[in-house]
Amino acid sequence: GAGVSQSPSNKVTEKGKDVELRCDPISGHTALYWYRQSLGQGLEFLIYFQGNSAPDKSGLPSDRFSAERTGGSVSTLTIQRTQQEDSAVYLCASIRQGTQGEQFFGPGTRLTVL
Amino acid sequence: RKEVEQDPGPFNVPEGATVAFNCTYSNSASQSFFWYRQDCRKEPKLLMSVYSSGNEDGRFTAQLNRASQYISLLIRDSKLSDSATYLCVVNRGFGNEKLTFGTGTRLTIIP
Repeated sequence: GAGVSQSPSNKVTEKGKDVELRCDPISGHTALYWYRQSLGQGLEFLIYFQGNSAPDKSGLPSDRFSAERTGGSVSTLTIQRTQQEDSAVYLCASIRQGTQGEQFFGPGTRLTVL
Repeated sequence: RKEVEQDPGPFNVPEGATVAFNCTYSNSASQSFFWYRQDCRKEPKLLMSVYSSGNEDGRFTAQLNRASQYISLLIRDSKLSDSATYLCVVNRGFGNEKLTFGTGTRLTIIP
């Protein structure tokens, strides 16, 4: 079956612009996670959705970052007024209800802020 | 102190050797533990869960020591294809809650 998909795969933007990243989880997966990974670094948790609500958004680095999920499926991560330090790979993962640990990751969106 | 700590490596190991990684976690209430593998410029993928009694999957053995709060991964008879970054992952709660990833240990198998 189809895995987690993310778009765009690459995004180059100018400092100060807004960007929107999209994640389409595996069908039926109720929980969805956003992470970011800077070059040579570990995964940094951003936000977690259970259905359409976000019980844990503690990892969002600033109020320039927001995310939403509609219909219990697709999620978008929006970064407003991008800064160079926002450059990273943004990874989305989903997990099946009732399981622990096996998060299925999408291929990521590589964001470069010039 | 980081919630999950790993030796970043790199570990450069000859093909056929045995290699072991350790990982420590700070939250004693952590419930479940995993090893993920991440190939260069790829997304992480689950390698194996870590059970209290220890578990083995082919050449891979995972151990959990709750008293000392560490997790280990042993790879026997290493193959070139084992070259990757190995991420130690901890779940603090039950159900679909946040996983905390270590920064990873980079392994290169040398022919």
